[in-house]
Amino acid sequence: EVYLLESGGGLVQPGGSLRLSCAASGFTFRNYGMSWVRQAPGKGLEWVSAVRDSGATTYDADSVKGRFTISRDNSKNTLFLQMNSLRAEDTALYYCAKCSGATCYGFDMDVWGKGTTVTVS
Amino acid sequence: DVVMTQSPLSLPVTLGQPASISCRSSQSLVYSDGNTYLNWFQLRPGQSPRRLIYEVSKRDSGVPDRFSGSGSGTDFTVKISRVEADDVGVYFCMQGTHWPPTFGPGTKVEIK
Repeated sequence: EVYLLESGGGLVQPGGSLRLSCAASGFTFRNYGMSWVRQAPGKGLEWVSAVRDSGATTYDADSVKGRFTISRDNSKNTLFLQMNSLRAEDTALYYCAKCSGATCYGFDMDVWGKGTTVTVS
Repeated sequence: DVVMTQSPLSLPVTLGQPASISCRSSQSLVYSDGNTYLNWFQLRPGQSPRRLIYEVSKRDSGVPDRFSGSGSGTDFTVKISRVEADDVGVYFCMQGTHWPPTFGPGTKVEIK
């Protein structure tokens, strides 16, 4: 069974940094693109970042460009999100999601984790 | 960015009765490859978001056949033929045709 487990969330002051991790199992991690999606309290879902299977290509939402960096370690089946210069509006539940293909073509996210909470205050 | 709207935002339903949620996009979601990247997700309390439908009408593995998706261009619908207690949650549509991918605001389905 495909399983994604996020970790690394917590309380951080504005301007601070945090690194989220997503441990993947149940599929050949290196063959699939991966994404981060977040949901602020009381708000809808917002796509944050995506990375293709090899890690060579990444995509970021304008709201996080230059502050967040998505990366992956295929030897450890782990996805990361390095978040710098955090703002109050980054407060959200952050989900890790598997793309259905190698490149996240169509941003097709077929399996999601339960999320990890980031609070910037 | 493509704006996704949904209606209704709240949907009280009777067990065993049908339910329907509408999703509309501000631009056509037909991609240059001819496909339409419109997905539907279910979010139940305390659980991971679950993809139910992809590319408008393709049902994910394990999704009951009482869920169906339809539509084209800018107008899409997900229908539940007979609502069960397990279907309570928030339903989101999402477009992946245009960058960045965007989600609808969500429709909360609850039992009357």
